[in-house]
Amino acid sequence: DVKVTQSSRYLVKRTGEKVFLECVQDMDHENMFWYRQDPGLGLRLIYFSYDVKMKEKGDIPEGYSVSREKKERFSLILESASTNQTSMYLCASTPGWGGSNQPQHFGDGTRLSIL
Amino acid sequence: GDSVTQMEGPVTLSEEAFLTINCTYTATGYPSLFWYVQYPGEGLQLLLKATKADDKGSNKGFEATYRKETTSFHLEKGSVQVSDSAVYFCALSEGGSNYKLTFGKGTLLTVNP
Repeated sequence: DVKVTQSSRYLVKRTGEKVFLECVQDMDHENMFWYRQDPGLGLRLIYFSYDVKMKEKGDIPEGYSVSREKKERFSLILESASTNQTSMYLCASTPGWGGSNQPQHFGDGTRLSIL
Repeated sequence: GDSVTQMEGPVTLSEEAFLTINCTYTATGYPSLFWYVQYPGEGLQLLLKATKADDKGSNKGFEATYRKETTSFHLEKGSVQVSDSAVYFCALSEGGSNYKLTFGKGTLLTVNP
């Protein structure tokens, strides 16, 4: 089974801090994604990556950046955390073949609170 | 752009009741359609999918049929169990080599014994 591991289940940070959320997958997948999940809004795509050192903006990239230095690891960075970034963050991955028919494999999420 | 609209919850049912969660979509081209499920405290996992018109996806007693004429992909189960309590998300992918998913807002289902 594919395993997508997010480094923290719960995280509390302060306004203005630089925050790193880490995601690792063990199936050599090319594609990786970061979403945020908010009640009543569903999942919204922040950033995604098709390969090492490649990244593309999703629907809500403002206030975030990403890093993909190794194929298995995809990091989400909050440059200067703000209270409106309090949310559940979900990482996902898919292989680079099979196109849109491939399901995305999700981690268990990081619940981030910004105080 | 692409969008997915699913019925708002929460939905509360008794065990063995019939379940329908409506999902309609707007997309250009020929999207693939998915239902994902999120159990409490977990990430999302794929429940079923359909990749072309009239395809029926099925898994764990759940079914959904890709209806191009009505742009719908409604989720059904004939007899729900307490263990089906979860949040259900309808999603689409544009197709081809595009791996991005567009999600609906999710529907919380609670099944009571």
